[in-house]
Amino acid sequence: DIQMTQSPPSLSASLGDKVTITCQASQNINKYIAWYQQKPGKAPRQLIRYTSTLVSGTPSRFSGSGSGRDYSFSISNVESEDIASYYCLQYDNLFTFGSGTKLEIK
Amino acid sequence: QVQLKESGPGLVQPSQTLSLTCTVSGFSLTSYNVHWVRQPPGKGLEWMGVIWSGGNTDYNSALKPRLSISRDTSKSQVFLTMNSLQTEDTGIYYCNRNQNWGQGVMVTVSS
Repeated sequence: DIQMTQSPPSLSASLGDKVTITCQASQNINKYIAWYQQKPGKAPRQLIRYTSTLVSGTPSRFSGSGSGRDYSFSISNVESEDIASYYCLQYDNLFTFGSGTKLEIK
Repeated sequence: QVQLKESGPGLVQPSQTLSLTCTVSGFSLTSYNVHWVRQPPGKGLEWMGVIWSGGNTDYNSALKPRLSISRDTSKSQVFLTMNSLQTEDTGIYYCNRNQNWGQGVMVTVSS
């Protein structure tokens, strides 16, 4: 099974900051990584697929990059509506979620 | 439009079997894969398994010994069955297809 190590577990940012979350896979996942946002009491929402492709409706302040085992997800100009938990998901070999990152506003 | 809705018992006794149904609309189960994902209270997401459009299934290896996913295409329903439930199986269970998710169903394992 592929393991996904996501960090940090939590982030505290000011409005307008840029934040970055990373996921490292236990093996090469060939860019097959997606990123999800989950707000309290809601189902997850996919923001990015295949490392860097924004899903329809995802604001351009969200971005993703990476290759091989190492991937990152960034939010530039953090807004109050970005308060949520974020998860990576590898789908190169079955599916594995990262452990999540909770974003809070300072 | 595409919709998924989970249903099932809210309370299951320890060691018993959980049966959940995901009723879909707006698409055919023979054309799209449907996944089950769960989330313990206050914790992260766990992929449980998938029934592929062709009818084959794959499971999270940690759950595979006690998990089964099946479907009835004529009723547009996908079923999750998991046996030997323990308290750590408490959580919200979601079915999903691509960017579309059900609302989730809360399952509590308790005597």
